[in-house]
Amino acid sequence: GAVVSQHPSWVICKSGTSVKIECRSLDFQATTMFWYRQFPKQSLMLMATSNEGSKATYEQGVEKDKFLINHASLTLSTLTVTSAHPEDSSFYICSAVGLATADTQYFGPGTRLTVL
Amino acid sequence: AQKITQTQPGMFVQEKEAVTLDCTYDTSDPSYGLFWYKQPSSGEMIFLIYQGSYDQQNATEGRYSLNFQKARKSANLVISASQLGDSAMYFCAMRDGPGNTGKLIFGQGTTLQVKP
Repeated sequence: GAVVSQHPSWVICKSGTSVKIECRSLDFQATTMFWYRQFPKQSLMLMATSNEGSKATYEQGVEKDKFLINHASLTLSTLTVTSAHPEDSSFYICSAVGLATADTQYFGPGTRLTVL
Repeated sequence: AQKITQTQPGMFVQEKEAVTLDCTYDTSDPSYGLFWYKQPSSGEMIFLIYQGSYDQQNATEGRYSLNFQKARKSANLVISASQLGDSAMYFCAMRDGPGNTGKLIFGQGTTLQVKP
């Protein structure tokens, strides 16, 4: 199967700082990457859809100025949580899809963010 | 609007027995894709199996099979010969949109515990 990595796997930061999370497709070109947020024992909530070379499409209710997404290449997308607050603490997970993956989204291992 | 429903919050199964996890969906689109993912306590989302709406046969992948009943709009996951390592949360998902750029809509998830 296709491999997607995510870095860091966990991060603790102070309130007011910004945190960048990287999502990489390691063995295929990802035309589209997705960013999700998950609270404990709940389902995944899609935050935004990111296509290489274009602006991300955010889901309703997701602040695009707070959650900056950049998809600079066919193998890398980044999510930056700006001016993080404790309520931003969550599990963030990305997925990627490309021609090589057919219709299937492959997920990274996730990043656990804790804002103090 | 498209919707995925998993009505079993938690399930128990004895090791080596088979278990069925329920999933129903609702869509007016004749072309759609259905997915099952496994999420162990580590948080990663592992792709298990895919069923396309036009596929004539039920999908199978090793010990996983998808019981696709189109008229009933159900896509239940069957795990045969359960193993302790199968203990995890399982999500049913449907692709919303065409091709491989469509976003996934997830069900609420079912927590499976395999008893020794």
